[in-house]
Amino acid sequence: DAKTTQPPSMDCAEGRAANLPCNHSTISGNEYVYWYRQIHSQGPQYIIHGLKNNETNEMASLIITEDRKSSTLILPHATLRDTAVYYCIVRPRPTGANSKLTFGKGITLSVRP
Amino acid sequence: GAVVSQHPSRVICKSGTSVKIECRSLDFQATTMFWYRQFPKQSLMLMATSNEGSKATYEQGVEKDKFLINHASLTLSTLTVTSAHPEDSSFYICSADPWDRVFNEQFFGPGTRLTVL
Repeated sequence: DAKTTQPPSMDCAEGRAANLPCNHSTISGNEYVYWYRQIHSQGPQYIIHGLKNNETNEMASLIITEDRKSSTLILPHATLRDTAVYYCIVRPRPTGANSKLTFGKGITLSVRP
Repeated sequence: GAVVSQHPSRVICKSGTSVKIECRSLDFQATTMFWYRQFPKQSLMLMATSNEGSKATYEQGVEKDKFLINHASLTLSTLTVTSAHPEDSSFYICSADPWDRVFNEQFFGPGTRLTVL
């Protein structure tokens, strides 16, 4: 039961912003939007999460629409090392066992020189 | 950020043998750890939730007698693949959930590549 839908792939030029979309039209009021990424043959890495406000950290920005049915992860200046599979996940605020993450297929971002 | 380690990073074994994979949270305590499996070109699939001091909770379709999970301390969970077969060859990844909830994210280990001959 996929709660999010993402395009299978996209690419962008090195140094440019990468905007990764995610649809989560059935998101509940208590569910957060999380983004993780997985570089080839490594464990996933947390990027950012948000509830309804836009968020920014040292890695990325997360823009959530007002109706919360979609969001966009923005990597402001993509580098070759940002080439990875990016997963958009929705889930309730984690409290122990319900912290499990359900990974969809994600979007493969390829950053070209 | 917090660090999770896995050991070994890569293992090759013969069919029928058992393999133990360790997952450690190095600088935080975790009452809950998770084990995932990832086949080539596929996404991560949750296998089980490991709770410190109690039995693991397995996802539907995962054989609990084949994939033994032990979470004996707040920093260590182990996954033992018993009587491994070639179809068990996969990338096994653990994650740990900090008990004090200072963080809102899980921390993942680097993964263990299992190849069963």
